[in-house]
Amino acid sequence: GENVEQHPSTLSVQEGDSAVIKCTYSDSASNYFPWYKQELGKRPQLIIDIRSNVGEKKDQRIAVTLNKTAKHFSLHITETQPEDSAVYFCAPVYNFNKFYFGSGTKLNVKP
Amino acid sequence: EAGVAQSPRYKIIEKRQSVAFWCNPISGHATLYWYQQILGQGPKLLIQFQNNGVVDDSQLPKDRFSAERLKGVDSTLKIQPAKLEDSAVYLCASSLDLDRVPDTQYFGPGTRLTVL
Repeated sequence: GENVEQHPSTLSVQEGDSAVIKCTYSDSASNYFPWYKQELGKRPQLIIDIRSNVGEKKDQRIAVTLNKTAKHFSLHITETQPEDSAVYFCAPVYNFNKFYFGSGTKLNVKP
Repeated sequence: EAGVAQSPRYKIIEKRQSVAFWCNPISGHATLYWYQQILGQGPKLLIQFQNNGVVDDSQLPKDRFSAERLKGVDSTLKIQPAKLEDSAVYLCASSLDLDRVPDTQYFGPGTRLTVL
């Protein structure tokens, strides 16, 4: 199966700063790269995704970049706000929509 | 559009007892997933259905866990007998169609299981 690693495991930033979370994966056949946000006690929710034929995608303050050669993709959050505080999971997809979730990154945005 | 429904939301049982969880996916979604999320970890896929057929159950502990989706709509996940290490949130998710690769999956609220 897919080996997925996320770094860092925890990240603390000041409100207004940027945050970057990196996800590395092992299966070169992976073709879809989503990021999920999970607030405490809530369900995971998709916040942004990218497909293997695209290098970067942006949605307001959130962006995802993909490096297929190096087998990693990253989540970028700019102008962070306290409501961005949550656990973020990457879940690269391969082989018939198999989602393998990373171990998560806990982001804390300090006001 | 109604979301993925799960019940119960919380369950407390003693070890060696049995428990069942129910999931109703978004209407029209052919693919259904069951995940186990242990506190502090990412969701781990247990089983994946396409309509009423199993696509992947390689990570399902089959000696104690079972799941079915008989009519290709709602699904039940059962644990019998439960162990302490089964304490987790069980998440159900659905997506439109396995053939639409890749496809966004939508999660239900989860069932929090505590095994004493």
